[in-house]
Amino acid sequence: SSELTQDPAVSVALGQTVRITCQGDSLRNYDASWYQQRPGQAPLLVIYDKNVRPSGIPDRFSGSSSGSTASLTITGAQAEDEADYYCNSRHSHGEALVFGAGTKVTVL
Amino acid sequence: EVQLVESGGGVVQPGGSLRLSCGVSGFTLDDYAMHWVRQAPGKGLEWVSLISGDGSTTYYADSVKGRFTISRDTSKNSLYLQMSSLRTDDTALYYCAKDLDTYYYYGMDVWGQGTTVTVSS
Repeated sequence: SSELTQDPAVSVALGQTVRITCQGDSLRNYDASWYQQRPGQAPLLVIYDKNVRPSGIPDRFSGSSSGSTASLTITGAQAEDEADYYCNSRHSHGEALVFGAGTKVTVL
Repeated sequence: EVQLVESGGGVVQPGGSLRLSCGVSGFTLDDYAMHWVRQAPGKGLEWVSLISGDGSTTYYADSVKGRFTISRDTSKNSLYLQMSSLRTDDTALYYCAKDLDTYYYYGMDVWGQGTTVTVSS
């Protein structure tokens, strides 16, 4: 099992807001990054350093963190946001990294 | 344009070895840490290994420690993953990824399309 826990799946109506969470003890000390993966495609970095969007990522994507939980929020979800989303951070022991198991987002 | 192209995947028997390569263009390996990440069929992402931009530091997931070795050759603009004592659960699509940071981890901002490794008898 992963050190970072994510809900397996969430759904959101088109244009509405969805929050994806990632829980783990290491998140108390280390920031999470978030990746979007559409079917058949390589992952895409959407948030790093807790709440920084790489160039080209729409501002409807935002990140936050509180205690042992990091969150990715999509405000005004679009059809193209339907994908798997993975959180990633440092392992709670040592310098290894770890991904959450992923959350499948369905846009209705 | 920043680009990563993996190669070297294939079918190998359990206990065998394989070396993956990742050719990079549009940036210098000295300037960025690099990762290998894998994804088993129908499963999620699993971080495998990281090498710092200066090549002095490497990190590994417990699942591959002692069996896999990450390295790079800046003169060839290439990143490598030497895999030995392969097991059936190493079967996956292997991605190389560039980090935003030079020495460790900040976020993997560029990914290749992956190369497939199948471990089967």
